[in-house]
Amino acid sequence: GESVGLHLPTLSVQEGDNSIINCAYSNSASDYFIWYKQESGKGPQFIIDIRSNMDKRQGQRVTVLLNKTVKHLSLQIAATQPGDSAVYFCAENKEGTSYGKLTFGQGTILTVHP
Amino acid sequence: DAGVTQSPTHLIKTRGQQVTLRCSPKSGHDTVSWYQQALGQGPQFIFQYYEEEERQRGNFPDRFSGHQFPNYSSELNVNALLLGDSALYLCASSLLGGAVYNEQFFGPGTRLTVL
Repeated sequence: GESVGLHLPTLSVQEGDNSIINCAYSNSASDYFIWYKQESGKGPQFIIDIRSNMDKRQGQRVTVLLNKTVKHLSLQIAATQPGDSAVYFCAENKEGTSYGKLTFGQGTILTVHP
Repeated sequence: DAGVTQSPTHLIKTRGQQVTLRCSPKSGHDTVSWYQQALGQGPQFIFQYYEEEERQRGNFPDRFSGHQFPNYSSELNVNALLLGDSALYLCASSLLGGAVYNEQFFGPGTRLTVL
């Protein structure tokens, strides 16, 4: 069945370092991939998304890379700050009849040490 | 501009009871999706409502039902509660644009505990 998973459940970095969070997906028919940040006691917050016909997309301090050959997605956070500490989820979406459904991975806990 | 709001924040129920959770979408949004997030897991899609109808559904039993009102707000109802229903219930709103992906904005969730 469809699944979106993560390689590493936890990631600890020092403030100022760059962080890379990885995600593997199995549904090659997905059209969009999305990264969400979830802080304790809050709902997921949209970070960045990428359409399946793209390889890279950049935002403010974040870059998402998509490798369709190996079904791999990554989120790069530049100059990581303590406020970036949270759980990060990748999610996928398929346009058409199921486009409203997001399928989430298990999540990676990012801890940034000052 | 208010974002997605949910009520109540926390709720404690006992097995066999019924519960109703409420969601108001972000201003201008017409589509509401509900997710269940168990502790330490990613959110799992329950169902989505558009134009007051259930548009699609995830792998959840019929004990889970919903409703959308003309003002686009929505309710999630769970009957015959089980201990395993304890979770954070998230509501997400979006603007339906045909069969095109639109960003979903999440509310803070309702923490349901079933004893």
